[in-house]
Amino acid sequence: GENVEQHPSTLSVQEGDSAVIKCTYSDSASNYFPWYKQELGKRPQLIIDIRSNVGEKKDQRIAVTLNKTAKHFSLHITETQPEDSAVYFCAASGTGTASKLTFGTGTRLQVTL
Amino acid sequence: DAMVIQNPRYQVTQFGKPVTLSCSQTLNHNVMYWYQQKSSQAPKLLFHYYDKDFNNEADTPDNFQSRRPNTSFCFLDIRSPGLGDAAMYLCATSRSHYTDTQYFGPGTRLTVL
Repeated sequence: GENVEQHPSTLSVQEGDSAVIKCTYSDSASNYFPWYKQELGKRPQLIIDIRSNVGEKKDQRIAVTLNKTAKHFSLHITETQPEDSAVYFCAASGTGTASKLTFGTGTRLQVTL
Repeated sequence: DAMVIQNPRYQVTQFGKPVTLSCSQTLNHNVMYWYQQKSSQAPKLLFHYYDKDFNNEADTPDNFQSRRPNTSFCFLDIRSPGLGDAAMYLCATSRSHYTDTQYFGPGTRLTVL
């Protein structure tokens, strides 16, 4: 089955700096890669996703890049703000009924003033 | 305009006393998922329904059951909760299968005394 590794487990940045979270996956058949943000005690919320036919996707301060050859994808947050503080999960899934959304272990991002 | 609703938000039960958690959705999505999330960990898929087709994860304990009486509702039954079942239980939906965006409900926090 799919295995997703996520690094770092914790990340502290100063407000205004950039943050980068990296994930690697094992199944070359995976073709869908969402990123979820989860604030304490709340639901995971999709912030951005990318499919394997695209190398990069951007939405305001958030971008995701995908390297299919190396089987890794990354989340980039620019101009970080205190409200970006949360746990971020990457995930990967493929097609077919045997596939499922496999989550990374999460990154706790702390944006300090 | 809540799309995925879970009730109750907080549930306290006694060791061994059956409990049912509910999830409803207004998205008319085909797929409904149940995840278990323990503190500081990624959500763990327990099972899902594709329409009426039930799909159990291989490592989901028999203690956990699910029902989907119609498109909008799905229930998680824990027959004999143990202390290790204390967790956040998240319901999610997607239009079709795993490569479609999953929308999470707010979760039910289960406490086992």
